[in-house]
Amino acid sequence: DADVTQTPRNRITKTGKRIMLECSQTKGHDRMYWYRQDPGLGLRLIYYSFDVKDINKGEISDGYSVSRQAQAKFSLSLESAIPNQTALYFCATSDGWERPQHFGDGTRLSIL
Amino acid sequence: RKEVEQDPGPFNVPEGATVAFNCTYSNSASQSFFWYRQDCRKEPKLLMSVYSSGNEDGRFTAQLNRASQYISLLIRDSKLSDSATYLCAAAGGTSYGKLTFGQGTILTVHP
Repeated sequence: DADVTQTPRNRITKTGKRIMLECSQTKGHDRMYWYRQDPGLGLRLIYYSFDVKDINKGEISDGYSVSRQAQAKFSLSLESAIPNQTALYFCATSDGWERPQHFGDGTRLSIL
Repeated sequence: RKEVEQDPGPFNVPEGATVAFNCTYSNSASQSFFWYRQDCRKEPKLLMSVYSSGNEDGRFTAQLNRASQYISLLIRDSKLSDSATYLCAAAGGTSYGKLTFGQGTILTVHP
């Protein structure tokens, strides 16, 4: 089983819908991250959390919200999806300062 | 200027070749660096961590030059299976527990 699991793996939805992407991990890491990846733009950080009570905005948080339900779970919500949020979304975890991050399989999201 | 910059390539090399990528970073306070490999539309996978001057793992060697603020990745004896996008990332200093990624370098190894 994967250490960092994202659900769903693929999602197609319509403009204006609310969408939740979920991430769970069995690595025991405190830090969790959400990224989106677009062709030519690389990985961009949306939100990150260093523990259950800590939530921080990344470079592109507008239009997104997150919830850290437990150490192992970090979900990303799009309150009202728009087509330019079509992208590949990754969750990642790490176990400390200046430590590498470990990524989930990704969620391919298409908004029509 | 981007915090972490890579030559996007693509690099097209024959099997068996040696290929090197460079990655420059602008934040002199960065302390740790990582190379990731990403296959098409899949997740980045950690290839190598670089905390001091360099690291070697089989055919892969990473070197850090703090004075010139770049890290390099050298791949020897390239295999077809090395074809992928290689991402470098920097951590530490003012980035406060975050990684800053480069855009990635595309490598294609051909027969």
